[in-house]
Order: sequence, then C-alpha cells, then structure tokens
Amino acid sequence: GENVEQHPSTLSVQEGDSAVIKCTYSDSASNYFPWYKQELGKRPQLIIDIRSNVGEKKDQRIAVTLNKTAKHFSLHITETQPEDSAVYFCAASIDSSASKIIFGSGTRLSIRP
Amino acid sequence: DAGVIQSPRHEVTEMGQEVTLRCKPISGHNSLFWYRQTMMRGLELLIYFNNNVPIDDSGMPEDRFSAKMPNASFSTLKIQPSEPRDSAVYFCASSPAGKQFFGPGTRLTVL
Repeated sequence: GENVEQHPSTLSVQEGDSAVIKCTYSDSASNYFPWYKQELGKRPQLIIDIRSNVGEKKDQRIAVTLNKTAKHFSLHITETQPEDSAVYFCAASIDSSASKIIFGSGTRLSIRP
Repeated sequence: DAGVIQSPRHEVTEMGQEVTLRCKPISGHNSLFWYRQTMMRGLELLIYFNNNVPIDDSGMPEDRFSAKMPNASFSTLKIQPSEPRDSAVYFCASSPAGKQFFGPGTRLTVL
C-alpha cells in the first residue's frame, strides 16, 4: 500500500522568510496530492492540491511542486506571516471516488516575529 | 452548504461506558471517512465508506470500535466499552472524489 513520509517534523522560520516542506510517496499509481493546514484546535483544511499531470501549481503565497519520477512533492510558502503557523499535512491518493488518502505525519510550522 | 456536521463536539465519559459519535456528510459526497487524532499517533484513518458500504476498516483498533452508515446522510462510530486510551479527537470527513472535507471533530475524553 501507499506510504507517505514528510519532513521536517518541526520548522521554525523568521516572519517574511520562506518555508519548504517535503514529502515522498511510494505508490507510483498515486495521482492526487493534497496539502492540509490544521490550526490549533481546528480541523484540517485543504489549502492546495496537485494532480500528477501537472508539475507545479501556485496560489498566491503557496506553491506545490511534484516530481513523479522521484516520487517527491513539496509545499513552498513565501513571505511567511504569523497566521501561517500551523501543522501542515501532505497526502497522496489515487483520485477516484473509492480511494482513501494517505497522510504524512505532519510538520509543525512556527513563524518567529 | 453547512459542511460536514459532527456531534457531539465534546464528550466526557467514564471508562466502560458506550460512546456514539455522529456524522452528517456533505450532500452529494459519496465517500465518508472516520479519523482519530492524538499527539502520539497523529491522524489515523479508522474506516471509510463508499456509497454507504464499508471499504476498508483495517484501521479500526479493535472489536470495541464499530461504524455504520445506514444511509447517504448519516454515519456513526461507536466505542463499547470505552477506555481512557480512546481519548482523542475524532474527525469525520466526506469526499466526492479525492478532496476530503473535514468536520469540526469530536473531542472525546474517557476518564
């Protein structure tokens, strides 16, 4: 089955700097890669996703990249702000109605003022 | 749409009692997922349904846990008997395909 590894487990960056979170997956059949943000005491919320027919996707200050050959995908946050502090989860799945999502173990991102 | 609805939001019970968590998925979503989240174990998938049919229950920790989905708009997760180690936040999520939308969670404390 699919296995998703996420690094680092914790990340602290200065406000205004960039943050990068990296994930690897094992199942070459996976073709859908969402990223979730979970603020303290809240539910995980989808912030961006990418499908395997695309190498990069950007939405304002966040971007995701996907390297299908290496089975790597990454989340990039630029110009970090205090409200970016949260736990971020990467995930992988086969994009169909009957598939489950396999989550990474999470990265706790802290933004230093 | 109100999103995924879970009840209760908080539950405090004593060891040995039965606990029932409830979930109403987003209308039109045909997959429903139950997760458990703790600091130690992170976000664990317990079971998921597609078109009301259980597809994968390999994450259910033991026979004390059971889940049902009698129709497209309702699911329950039951723990009987509950134990202190079951204390966690339980999330329900629904999906039309791929993207999952999480409910607010039920924070369960078993004393």
